[in-house]
Amino acid sequence: ELKVEQNPLFLSMQEGKNYTIYCNYSTTSDRLYWYRQDPGKSLESLFVLLSNGAVKQEGRLMASLDTKARLSTLHITAAVHDLSATYFCAVDMIVGANNLFFGTGTRLTVIP
Amino acid sequence: DTGVSQNPRHKITKRGQNVTFRCDPISEHNRLYWYRQTLGQGPEFLTYFQNEAQLEKSRLLSDRFSAERPKGSFSTLEIQRTEQGDSAMYLCASSPRDRPTYNEQFFGPGTRLTVL
Repeated sequence: ELKVEQNPLFLSMQEGKNYTIYCNYSTTSDRLYWYRQDPGKSLESLFVLLSNGAVKQEGRLMASLDTKARLSTLHITAAVHDLSATYFCAVDMIVGANNLFFGTGTRLTVIP
Repeated sequence: DTGVSQNPRHKITKRGQNVTFRCDPISEHNRLYWYRQTLGQGPEFLTYFQNEAQLEKSRLLSDRFSAERPKGSFSTLEIQRTEQGDSAMYLCASSPRDRPTYNEQFFGPGTRLTVL
């Protein structure tokens, strides 16, 4: 059965600091998505990574994908309070329904 | 607003009652998904429609659950004889037909179900 594991599950960091969230998955897939979820809200698409070595950046967030290691990272640079949210990675099953398998999420709190 | 919409946003019901949720996907998106999210967890896949055809169902979708997408546009998810374990956020997502190589899904705001 496919497993998608994120770590850390909880992350508390000070404004201005850098940190990385890791997403490991157990199947061969070259399609990986990152979503953001604010409390009580739905999921907002952040990044779509479609090949080995893919790197995408938006503002203070940068995502990368290593399909050989089955690992994706979400790097936060100089964190600000507005980045506080839960971040999910999700793997595309490619076949069948193409449904997404989500990790358990990383709850990020940025402290002023 | 042309995003995915869901109604109601909140539903409180008593155990044993039936509930129905509605999802309106982004216009012209032919793929529609239902997910369930419990507190502290990521969304879990329930079922998938391509146009009006329900093509896949998760084992999480017990026989008390039924979903329809009668005209290939909006979809409904019905839960019969609700149980307290059904309490969760029910999320709908859609994705467009013109991206065969990947499947970025756009999520609605969700319906939060509380079963007393």
